[in-house]
Amino acid sequence: DAGVTQSPTHLIKTRGQQVTLRCSPKSGHDTVSWYQQALGQGPQFIFQYYEEEERQRGNFPDRFSGHQFPNYSSELNVNALLLGDSALYLCASSPTGSNEQFFGPGTRLTVL
Amino acid sequence: AQKITQTQPGMFVQEKEAVTLDCTYDTSDPSYGLFWYKQPSSGEMIFLIYQGSYDQQNATEGRYSLNFQKARKSANLVISASQLGDSAMYFCAMREGFNFGNEKLTFGTGTRLTIIP
Repeated sequence: DAGVTQSPTHLIKTRGQQVTLRCSPKSGHDTVSWYQQALGQGPQFIFQYYEEEERQRGNFPDRFSGHQFPNYSSELNVNALLLGDSALYLCASSPTGSNEQFFGPGTRLTVL
Repeated sequence: AQKITQTQPGMFVQEKEAVTLDCTYDTSDPSYGLFWYKQPSSGEMIFLIYQGSYDQQNATEGRYSLNFQKARKSANLVISASQLGDSAMYFCAMREGFNFGNEKLTFGTGTRLTIIP
């Protein structure tokens, strides 16, 4: 049983560009959450998707948007990249009503 | 105020010794859950243990136990008989409320644990 997978592993972009990160949840999990982890910090909640809708959102600007597909996989889009967007982006999935969130290995984004 | 506070940026522990990682939290919600995650250098967050605010007993999972002191709002992780593979970053996290659709986790800044042979 595959766990949470994310792609790509690493990504380098320049300021002002746009980026799309992808996440496939663990089998049977219908809820996907995205977190941003800056270097030396704990993860910060970006948003959560359930039934293809954004259900909860953290304190992130509208430049951060997402999508969930019918197969529960998800994308995180970031527009107009800033240097401060450089971070490890973690995806977590969980089944409905569960306390436990299973995390993927993350995508490391570097903005130059 | 910080919702999750981890005051130990780094710790060095001799192999086979027990180690306690500190975590204090702040919430006004009577319903909450506390989590500990391990993050090796690979980056993946690995779930270790969970404690609900209404749980009467301290949670245990193998070598991991959670010392839950509700009145003091602390949820310290205890690792018994430490191993070299325990070297990693450890994060304490909290979920406030058990409402469906409210599963956001708030993390602390982490503690880097290094096990010395």
